Amino acid sequence: EVKLVESGGGLVQPGRSLKLSCAASGFSFNDYWMGWVRQAPGKGLEWIGEINQDSSTINYTPSLKDKFTISRDNAQNTLYLQMSKLGSEDTAIYYCAREYYGWFAYWGQGTLVTVSS
Amino acid sequence: DIQMTQSPASLSASLGETVSIECLASEGISNDLAWYQQKSGKSPQLLIYAASRLQDGVPSRFSGSGSGTRYSLKISGMQPEDEADYFCQQSYKYPNTFGAGTKLELK
Repeated sequence: EVKLVESGGGLVQPGRSLKLSCAASGFSFNDYWMGWVRQAPGKGLEWIGEINQDSSTINYTPSLKDKFTISRDNAQNTLYLQMSKLGSEDTAIYYCAREYYGWFAYWGQGTLVTVSS
Repeated sequence: DIQMTQSPASLSASLGETVSIECLASEGISNDLAWYQQKSGKSPQLLIYAASRLQDGVPSRFSGSGSGTRYSLKISGMQPEDEADYFCQQSYKYPNTFGAGTKLELK
């Protein structure tokens, strides 16, 4: 069974950094592109970015490229999202997802990040 | 960025009614379109990919169609468990983008 479990969310002060993790199991992690999507409270979905199998290609939505960094550790079957200079607009549920030709076939349960002083 | 204009923003349907949701892309996306269902408090689930291909395990009352810039999701016979938010996503060009969503309620 494909399982994706995000962690690392919580309350963080404006301007600080936070690193999210996504532990993958039930499939061969190093065979798949992986991605991150977020959803602000009561709002729609926002594509953050994606990373290919060997980390040689990483794509971001332009507005987040200077703040967020996607990485992965295939030995640990884990995907990461490093977020910096956080602001209130970054308050959201953050989902990791396994890709299939650009579509997200499997999603984690999400982790809530709240940016507030 | 490619803008995905989704309509309607919300709708209400009776049990057994056929429902249609549309997504209009700001430029042609060559069928690189997916539809997701998100029930309250849950993660999104992939329903349709490549505009018309049904994801494994998704009931056959869900179907997708379209081409070029205009795509639609059809539910043939509304069921109580179909009450949810629905989103389209284009993966034709970076950055991938989602529609704003459609809230579907049971009348």
